Amino acid sequence: DQQVKQNSPSLSVQEGRISILNCDYTNSMFDYFLWYKKYPAEGPTFLISISSIKDKNEDGRFTVFLNKSAKHLSLHIVPSQPGDSAVYFCAATSSNTGKLIFGQGTTLQVKP
Amino acid sequence: GAVVSQHPSWVICKSGTSVKIECRSLDFQATTMFWYRQFPKQSLMLMATSNEGSKATYEQGVEKDKFLINHASLTLSTLTVTSAHPEDSSFYICSASIQGNEQYFGPGTRLTVT
Repeated sequence: DQQVKQNSPSLSVQEGRISILNCDYTNSMFDYFLWYKKYPAEGPTFLISISSIKDKNEDGRFTVFLNKSAKHLSLHIVPSQPGDSAVYFCAATSSNTGKLIFGQGTTLQVKP
Repeated sequence: GAVVSQHPSWVICKSGTSVKIECRSLDFQATTMFWYRQFPKQSLMLMATSNEGSKATYEQGVEKDKFLINHASLTLSTLTVTSAHPEDSSFYICSASIQGNEQYFGPGTRLTVT
């Protein structure tokens, strides 16, 4: 049972445009959501997070939106840069477990 | 801050031998450490959760006798893959948390069992 899903395995955007990565979850107990960036053969790097009491969190070029009713979150990167090319994982957790459940990842390619 | 290291970064071993992977939080004391496994082009799968001084909690389907986890201090956790087989070849990643929901990940260890 995949509790966190990233249905798009890959995304390609032009430099300067917006990148939108999507994530869906099924467990209503999740109350905290995170996005990680990962390069091959490296550990994930934390990007941005959002609590379930919010619907938006912004940090520089990165904004995460949360739609609790739809159990959907998205990561917006604007403007996209070639250095953003990587695999992006969304993850979810509930306060009572502390365990992170990861999605399958989306490979983002930003073309110069 | 919040740096997590892993050693070794990659290891090749023969089938039947055991391999130990270390995970250290360098600039903070981690209340909890987690071990993940990632197969190529797949998600990170949580293997176990460990708290300092207590037994690790393993996820369903993870053999605790095969994947031995020791969390002897607030800055060090080890994962030992016992009697390794080729199917254990994978990318193993640890993470550490101080408190709350954010986890800081190590760089990972590539294990190849021949």
